[in-house]
Amino acid sequence: QQQVKQSPQSLIVQKGGISIINCAYENTAFDYFPWYQQFPGKGPALLIAIRPDVSEKKEGRFTISFNKSAKQFSLHIMDSQPGDSATYFCAASKRTGNTGKLIFGQGTTLQVKP
Amino acid sequence: DAGITQSPRHKVTETGTPVTLRCHQTENHRYMYWYRQDPGHGLRLIHYSYGVKDTDKGEVSDGYSVSRSKTEDFLLTLESATSSQTSVYFCAISDGTGSYNEQFFGPGTRLTVL
Repeated sequence: QQQVKQSPQSLIVQKGGISIINCAYENTAFDYFPWYQQFPGKGPALLIAIRPDVSEKKEGRFTISFNKSAKQFSLHIMDSQPGDSATYFCAASKRTGNTGKLIFGQGTTLQVKP
Repeated sequence: DAGITQSPRHKVTETGTPVTLRCHQTENHRYMYWYRQDPGHGLRLIHYSYGVKDTDKGEVSDGYSVSRSKTEDFLLTLESATSSQTSVYFCAISDGTGSYNEQFFGPGTRLTVL
């Protein structure tokens, strides 16, 4: 069963445009929602993360929007650059027990065209 | 980059043979995780460890076993490899502290089972 559903599977954006990736989760006990960025041949790396007590978090050109009632969250990449071309994964976890286990979405491959 | 190495980085083996993948960390982090990455599935947790000799199953643990005899090493064993275990395997570590319990990923091991 897929507890975190991510869309779209792939995305092509022009340089300078806005990239939007969406995720939906089922388990209301999730209380930590990170986004990971992965370049080809590399392991994923944490990009930005949010807790459900806020509706938005911004770091530079990257913003997470969180809708607790809809159980959805999204990543917005403003002024997208070719260097942003990568695979992006949303994830969710429960901090109870603090084992840090993450449930990942299926991933979105982003291509930013020059 | 976090001090995580995985060995081997690439391996081709035949169905029915045992395979062991190694994850080594130099960060002295408490938590270690094994994930597999497959197209359309994102990253799925196989097993994790919350201390020396303390391990637990993830969502896709069938056919895999793990061991952690030292803080720095976490081994993943496929007792009898099958073609369905062809995948890219990532190790991750976390110190279990901080607001976001960030996981740091290794470079991955590409395993092909013929």
